[in-house]
Amino acid sequence: RKEVEQDPGPFNVPEGATVAFNCTYSNSASQSFFWYRQDCRKEPKLLMSVYSSGNEDGRFTAQLNRASQYISLLIRDSKLSDSATYLCVVNSKGNFNKFYFGSGTKLNVKP
Amino acid sequence: EAQVTQNPRYLITVTGKKLTVTCSQNMNHEYMSWYRQDPGLGLRQIYYSMNVEVTDKGDVPEGYKVSRKEKRNFPLILESPSPNQTSLYFCASSPEYQETQYFGPGTRLLVL
Repeated sequence: RKEVEQDPGPFNVPEGATVAFNCTYSNSASQSFFWYRQDCRKEPKLLMSVYSSGNEDGRFTAQLNRASQYISLLIRDSKLSDSATYLCVVNSKGNFNKFYFGSGTKLNVKP
Repeated sequence: EAQVTQNPRYLITVTGKKLTVTCSQNMNHEYMSWYRQDPGLGLRQIYYSMNVEVTDKGDVPEGYKVSRKEKRNFPLILESPSPNQTSLYFCASSPEYQETQYFGPGTRLLVL
C-alpha cells in the first residue's frame, strides 16, 4: 500500500466552482501534513500546511482527520490560475524523517 | 534572494558515465533532500540529510550517492547511470525536517 494516496483526476471545473480533494495516508504516526501545488513539471511550491484544527488561507481550506487518516483541500471560487496539480505530502517522526508525496490530483479550471 | 539552485537543468548522458547533479541553498537550512519524479509515481525521496555529514536513505536510494560536506551543498551522484534513472530530479531544503520544503527548479536527466 502506498504511504499517501490521491485521486489523480483530472477534476474539470468551471470558473467560480468549489472543488475538494482528499488524500489518505497509511501511517498513523504521521506528524506533519502539507498541500503543495505543482505547475506543469515545474518545482512544487507550498500551498499550505495542514493543522489539526484545520486552517484557511483565502479561498483555500485544509482539514485533517486523524481518525480516518485523511487530509482534504477545499478551493472556493476557482480561478483559471488555480489550474495545476495538487500534491498531498505527509511526513513521519522518529526513525522516518522522510517525506511522502502523493502522486497528485490534477485540476483544470475552465472559463 | 532565498533559493535552491540545481545544475545542470538538463542533461543527456549515456549508460555508465558517472555524473553529478549539484544542489545549493542559501537559506542556512539544515534539512536537504533529493527526489525523483516519474509519471504516475509522484515524487519519491532518494536521500535526505538532517545536517552536515548526516545523510540517510529515502525510499529509492539504489544507484545513487550523496554527500553533505557543507551545510549549503548536497550533490547527487550517479556512479553508473542506467536508463531507468531517466527522470526529473528535484532538490529541496527546509529549516528542519518537519517544516516546509523549498524546491530547486529541477534537473531533467535522460540516460541513453
